[in-house]
Amino acid sequence: AQKVTQAQTEISVVEKEDVTLDCVYETRDTTYYLFWYKQPPSGELVFLIRRNSFDEQNEISGRYSWNFQKSTSSFNFTITASQVVDSAVYFCALSEPLGNQGGKLIFGQGTELSVKP
Amino acid sequence: DGGITQSPKYLFRKEGQNVTLSCEQNLNHDAMYWYRQDPGQGLRLIYYSQIVNDFQKGDIAEGYSVSREKKESFPLTVTSAQKNPTAFYLCAGGTYNSPLHFGNGTRLTVT
Repeated sequence: AQKVTQAQTEISVVEKEDVTLDCVYETRDTTYYLFWYKQPPSGELVFLIRRNSFDEQNEISGRYSWNFQKSTSSFNFTITASQVVDSAVYFCALSEPLGNQGGKLIFGQGTELSVKP
Repeated sequence: DGGITQSPKYLFRKEGQNVTLSCEQNLNHDAMYWYRQDPGQGLRLIYYSQIVNDFQKGDIAEGYSVSREKKESFPLTVTSAQKNPTAFYLCAGGTYNSPLHFGNGTRLTVT
């Protein structure tokens, strides 16, 4: 069965610290997508990144970076020089396999990040 | 502006009453989804629809019903059979394997 685990329930850092959010997934499929979403206090989920299972290149976008390691089934997310506006709940998600019309996402439990000034 | 629109933002109902949550989209997404979020938990899939007049149960469909009469609309009814309906409900839309776009959610409280 597919599963996503975010072991860190809550993380608290001081502004300008770097922080890494862990995500470990389980799937028997060889092709899949991984996602990160941000949920600010307002409630909507904001898409951050999608990664294809064939693409293990790390990605950097401004202060955000993602480390995808298929060998350890992990897709970790790092925020460099955190800011108060980064405070939110972050979700890692795994998609149904390609070739299935579902497009359904399986979410981890979420990590609540609190960045204090 | 394009997006997924959920209404209302807050909804209060008495136990035993059915209630319908609205979800409308103008992004021309083929697929639409309903997720439920409880405090400290991830999102769990209730129902999804890939085309008009067709929908499938997700992981926690019991006590819920949906319809998809139009591509733009995917309302969710929380019936009296749902034993623990108080939660935050999120609607999403997407095309095949594209990132899902989410609405702002409806917070339902049943007392």
